[in-house]
Amino acid sequence: DAGVTQSPTHLIKTRGQHVTLRCSPISGHKSVSWYQQVLGQGPQFIFQYYEKEERGRGNFPDRFSARQFPNYSSELNVNALLLGDSALYLCASSLYEKLFFGSGTQLSVL
Amino acid sequence: QKEVEQNSGPLSVPEGAIASLNCTYSDRVSQSFFWYRQYSGKSPELIMSIYSNGDKEDGRFTAQLNKASQYVSLLIRDSQPSDSATYLCAALSGNTPLVFGKGTRLSVIA
Repeated sequence: DAGVTQSPTHLIKTRGQHVTLRCSPISGHKSVSWYQQVLGQGPQFIFQYYEKEERGRGNFPDRFSARQFPNYSSELNVNALLLGDSALYLCASSLYEKLFFGSGTQLSVL
Repeated sequence: QKEVEQNSGPLSVPEGAIASLNCTYSDRVSQSFFWYRQYSGKSPELIMSIYSNGDKEDGRFTAQLNKASQYVSLLIRDSQPSDSATYLCAALSGNTPLVFGKGTRLSVIA
């Protein structure tokens, strides 16, 4: 079975631009979570979706938004990019409480 | 504010030795605990989960939980250079999102 897939793997943007990151969960998993990981830190929670409904939102500005589609895939959108948004963005799908991460999208904002 | 605390390291151990990684958590009602391994430039990989007090063994890994002390640990027996990575501790309380520590960097010296 395929694991969690994320695209793109790497992305370079400039300040003020917007970005869309995509994620497909493990087959059968209905919950998707997004995390941001800055170098040297642990993953920080951004959003969780279950059955297309937002179940939780972390302490991130409104520039961050997400959605989940009927096939349980998900998108994370970030508007008006700032230098501080440079990070590894991780998508995780879960069955019950265990999170399984995709390979991540490395976003660099110049 | 729910927090998970880890010593950032680096923790250096010789090959074949036991590596001991520690973690404390602030939310007394946390119920489930996880250890993730993250190689440099890669995404976190789930290696252990523990839900009740005591020890849980899986191959060379042993997770230990003491809820009274709000303390979780991971022991790696017969450490190998391939175990060199950052180890992330995470705690879950009810329906709240998984909270991660900053991780402990382990270096196994051949």
